[in-house]
Amino acid sequence: QLQLQESGPGLVKPSETLSLTCTVSGGSISSSSYYWGWIRQPPGKGLDWIGNVYYSGSTYYYYNPSLKSRVTISVDTSKNQFSLKLSSVTAADTAVYYCARHVAHFDYWGQGTLVTVSS
Amino acid sequence: DIQMTQSPSTLSASVGDRVTITCRASQTVSSWLAWYQQKPGKAPKLLISKASSLESGVPSRFSGSGSGTEFTLTISSLQPDDFATYYCQQYNSYSWTFGQGTKVEIK
Repeated sequence: QLQLQESGPGLVKPSETLSLTCTVSGGSISSSSYYWGWIRQPPGKGLDWIGNVYYSGSTYYYYNPSLKSRVTISVDTSKNQFSLKLSSVTAADTAVYYCARHVAHFDYWGQGTLVTVSS
Repeated sequence: DIQMTQSPSTLSASVGDRVTITCRASQTVSSWLAWYQQKPGKAPKLLISKASSLESGVPSRFSGSGSGTEFTLTISSLQPDDFATYYCQQYNSYSWTFGQGTKVEIK
């Protein structure tokens, strides 16, 4: 059974960079045909796709245009992990951050991790 | 970017009611539309993919229909476990967008 688990600091200061890692178990991140993505959900609000990585020998990245200037996603196939960096954070970036496997739809999700931006 | 608009935002219903949620896309997404159920403190759960394909293990009282720009999620007979928030989500040209959500509350 595929499992995804987010990890990283729960508190980030304004203007700093938020960094999260998603560890995948029960399957290989190198398997073709799947994207590995990040989604966030501000408290009490809806879901917002951040971006994803597609790895099949070559690596492809796709980002939400509204966040593209601040987002970097990377992949470490040796550790079966992919990561998110979001720079210049503000209070508006406070959210539960999920990692997920997907193609057109998101079929496996991590449990989510709350990241609070505050000094 | 394709915008997804769900209606209603909140729905009050009783156990046994037939419930319909609508999702409209700002441009065609063909059948690349999925529905999710989310309960407080939990990750979303995929219910339906490709507009009408029920995921394994999802009760048959859930159904999806539509194509192009207008889609519906129907719960044929609302059960106590179904009180939750529901999201639609589209895929088009390497971009993924969610609707704002519909909260199904107990009447």
